[in-house]
Amino acid sequence: GAGVSQSPSNKVTEKGKDVELRCDPISGHTALYWYRQSLGQGLEFLIYFQGNSAPDKSGLPSDRFSAERTGGSVSTLTIQRTQQEDSAVYLCASSLSNRGDGYTFGSGTRLTVV
Amino acid sequence: DAKTTQPPSMDCAEGRAANLPCNHSTISGNEYVYWYRQIHSQGPQYIIHGLKNNETNEMASLIITEDRKSSTLILPHATLRDTAVYYCIVRAHNDMRFGAGTRLTVKP
Repeated sequence: GAGVSQSPSNKVTEKGKDVELRCDPISGHTALYWYRQSLGQGLEFLIYFQGNSAPDKSGLPSDRFSAERTGGSVSTLTIQRTQQEDSAVYLCASSLSNRGDGYTFGSGTRLTVV
Repeated sequence: DAKTTQPPSMDCAEGRAANLPCNHSTISGNEYVYWYRQIHSQGPQYIIHGLKNNETNEMASLIITEDRKSSTLILPHATLRDTAVYYCIVRAHNDMRFGAGTRLTVKP
């Protein structure tokens, strides 16, 4: 597609349930980032994928968070046993491997844990 | 360990130039300076980037000091639609981490 696509755009879930957030990057982009942004806060780095290299998971806040990227394309961020503090907008970005001006963000998934 | 320092907020009159400063005193030789902005409820948008020379595109100009320890993003004729949070990022390759940014408010 023309841009980075994220789904769902909104997700309301009950505390303790698992959720999966999906990111479809721009075709051919080898780098993919996940960030989250709590209300009124800045962007918090979560995880980074680059080609076939091992992902940089240094930003994941707990072991309840995991992400995978299948076939170097679509990525799924999974949050297990959701907590209310997980409520945020989860943003995905993709880029050609080494060009900062190629970072294109999706519109995000707004997750609300009730 | 923040690599950049930006003022938390700034105001600018509509039609005037907006000059947004960024300090990056620990920048290393292979690190670029990038600027993004985030308009309310949207994902961040790339604006401009540079290494040593000043850069200009259709959105903005980037002025980097000779010692590269600071830079200024210039929006030459700010409009109300330029109200956003502006992020200055220093990175070498793919380590893009966002700070708190500067909240620019353009006022009529």
